[in-house]
Amino acid sequence: KAGVTQTPRYLIKTRGQQVTLSCSPISGHRSVSWYQQTPGQGLQFLFEYFSETQRNKGNFPGRFSGRQFSNSRSEMNVSTLELGDSALYLCASSLRQDRAADTQYFGPGTRLTVL
Amino acid sequence: KNQVEQSPQSLIILEGKNCTLQCNYTVSPFSNLRWYKQDTGRGPVSLTIMTFSENTKSNGRYTATLDADTKQSSLHITASQLSDSASYICVPRGAGSYQLTFGKGTKLSVIP
Repeated sequence: KAGVTQTPRYLIKTRGQQVTLSCSPISGHRSVSWYQQTPGQGLQFLFEYFSETQRNKGNFPGRFSGRQFSNSRSEMNVSTLELGDSALYLCASSLRQDRAADTQYFGPGTRLTVL
Repeated sequence: KNQVEQSPQSLIILEGKNCTLQCNYTVSPFSNLRWYKQDTGRGPVSLTIMTFSENTKSNGRYTATLDADTKQSSLHITASQLSDSASYICVPRGAGSYQLTFGKGTKLSVIP
C-alpha cells in the first residue's frame, strides 16, 4: 500500500507570494492533518480535514488555509508569504477522524523556503 | 496551556549502548501518549502508543514507560544501532481533544 505522498518536496518562494502544497493520503484514509515544523517550535498543528470539512484548526493566522477533495486528497495554501513561514510542512493521514488510538501516518514533507 | 518538555535536547552514544529519553507533560485530562521517531528529512513514524492505564509498551528494542500520575514518560532504547540516529518526539493527547501537543524532540546520534 502506498504511503502518504506530498508534492512538491522542495519549494522556494519570495515574500508576498502565495504557495499551494498537496497531500495524497494512504488509500482508504479519510482524515488528513497538516503540521508545520520549525527547528525552534517543533511540530505545530495547522488543521485537520475529514470528509471534505475542516474539523479542527490550530493557532495559525488566516493566511494559512486548506481544503480536502472528495477523493480525500488535500491541499494547503499559504498567502502573502513571510520569512517566518519557512518550514517543513508535514501532512498526516489516518483512517478515521478524532479517534485517539488511530495512528497517523506522515508524509515526507514539503520543505518551503521563503526568501 | 499544554506543554511538553523533553530531555535531553540532544544525546550522543556509542553503538551498542542503551539510552533513555525523558518526557514531562502537563496535558490534562490525559488520553494517550505516543513516541515518534523522525529521521532527518523524513516524516515522523509512530513507535508506541500508551493509554493512561498502560505502564509500559515495547516495540522491538524500544520500550516506553508511562506514569500518568506524575505525567512522565520515558523511551528506552536497548543495544543502539546506527540507524537509531534520529529525533524522538513525545506527543501526549488530551482526553476529548483532537489537539496534539508535540515535544521539540531529543536528537539522538549513535556513533560507531
